[in-house]
Amino acid sequence: EAGVVQSPRYKIIEKKQPVAFWCNPISGHNTLYWYRQNLGQGPELLIRYENEEAVDDSQLPKDRFSAERLKGVDSTLKIQPAELGDSAVYLCASSFGGGGNTIYFGEGSWLTVV
Amino acid sequence: EDQVTQSPEALRLQEGESSSLNCSYTVSGLRGLFWYRQDPGKGPEFLFTLYSAGEEKEKERLKATLTKKESFLHITAPKPEDSATYLCAVGKNTDKLIFGTGTRLQVFP
Repeated sequence: EAGVVQSPRYKIIEKKQPVAFWCNPISGHNTLYWYRQNLGQGPELLIRYENEEAVDDSQLPKDRFSAERLKGVDSTLKIQPAELGDSAVYLCASSFGGGGNTIYFGEGSWLTVV
Repeated sequence: EDQVTQSPEALRLQEGESSSLNCSYTVSGLRGLFWYRQDPGKGPEFLFTLYSAGEEKEKERLKATLTKKESFLHITAPKPEDSATYLCAVGKNTDKLIFGTGTRLQVFP
């Protein structure tokens, strides 16, 4: 069975440019997460979806970040405009339900803003 | 304030030299404690979930234990392929997962 699929794996953009990341969760997983991981740090939650509803977006910088999960399956995370400090790994993850259920991560999308 | 602290930050072991990684936490509404392994350039790979104090789980050379305030990841007779960053995370009753900063393990032949 396929795991969490993310694309692109790597992206280099100039500051002020837009960028988008796509995620396909594990089949049947209704909960989808976007995390950001800075170098040498643990992942930090940006947004969590239950089906198509964003139930926790308190850590999402809404002035430049947006996310959507149409039809409750695939999701897209967008940054516009990108800043130098946005350079990080953007990890998508999914689980069946939340709370103590296991969360499975994708390989990540590595963003470098120059 | 919810907090997850991992120690040591980095650990160098000789092949076969057993050791333990520590994860201490202060969090309200704990739903589970998770251990992940992360290789360079990869996403975190799930290892274990522990739900209650006294629980233990094993997988090959790894054994995870849980108390009310901390968890240990014991590595018995490690091999070079065990080299990775090991991340600890706590799941809250708000469905939020809070990660520590990880322990970078290097095992030399």
